[in-house]
Amino acid sequence: DTGVSQDPRHKITKRGQNVTFRCDPISEHNRLYWYRQTLGQGPEFLTYFQNEAQLEKSRLLSDRFSAERPKGSFSTLEIQRTEQGDSAMYLCASSSRTGGTEAFFGQGTRLTVV
Amino acid sequence: AQSVTQPDIHITVSEGASLELRCNYSYGATPYLFWYVQSPGQGLQLLLKYFSGDTLVQGIKGFEAEFKRSQSSFNLRKPSVHWSDAAEYFCAVGANRDDKIIFGKGTRLHILP
Repeated sequence: DTGVSQDPRHKITKRGQNVTFRCDPISEHNRLYWYRQTLGQGPEFLTYFQNEAQLEKSRLLSDRFSAERPKGSFSTLEIQRTEQGDSAMYLCASSSRTGGTEAFFGQGTRLTVV
Repeated sequence: AQSVTQPDIHITVSEGASLELRCNYSYGATPYLFWYVQSPGQGLQLLLKYFSGDTLVQGIKGFEAEFKRSQSSFNLRKPSVHWSDAAEYFCAVGANRDDKIIFGKGTRLHILP
């Protein structure tokens, strides 16, 4: 069990560029979550998957954000036309619906939009 | 939709003193409740969880939490804090086994020597 892995750990991009982050969950976990965390705030729910199905996407989430989990394993989060307000830590977590259901978090991807 | 309120943004306690961090949730049924800790530069670590059964749950690092349905609360406690407990603590709730997990805004714990 190598835990939840996120790549890259840090990303600096210019405003207007597209970025994509990857998350590899714990192998037997069928649930995968994406959260965003800004300084001094709790993780804000973005979206989550059960296997390859996207179950819910936050209503607060801009259409510039999209997430996929094509084979029910790893997931990608893409942000199009980045804005300075997108600067944050993007956290991925996974859980097992049949297990304890608690979410196990990765170390996150820190995005800085300049 | 479920929500989580952590009324205290910052709490300061002396090393060796007892601690209680408050958490209130908003949901009708019995939710799935969690406490996580985040140390500076570290990822989120689960301290404890409650799904059903005994309303007093024990976690790691000497922490415990009590589920009180009548008060919609799930407060975190520790009888004697250590300097290494200084961190940000997050309460989280899932409406049921199938629902997403929502986090509170967190309480930052400061420890006085």
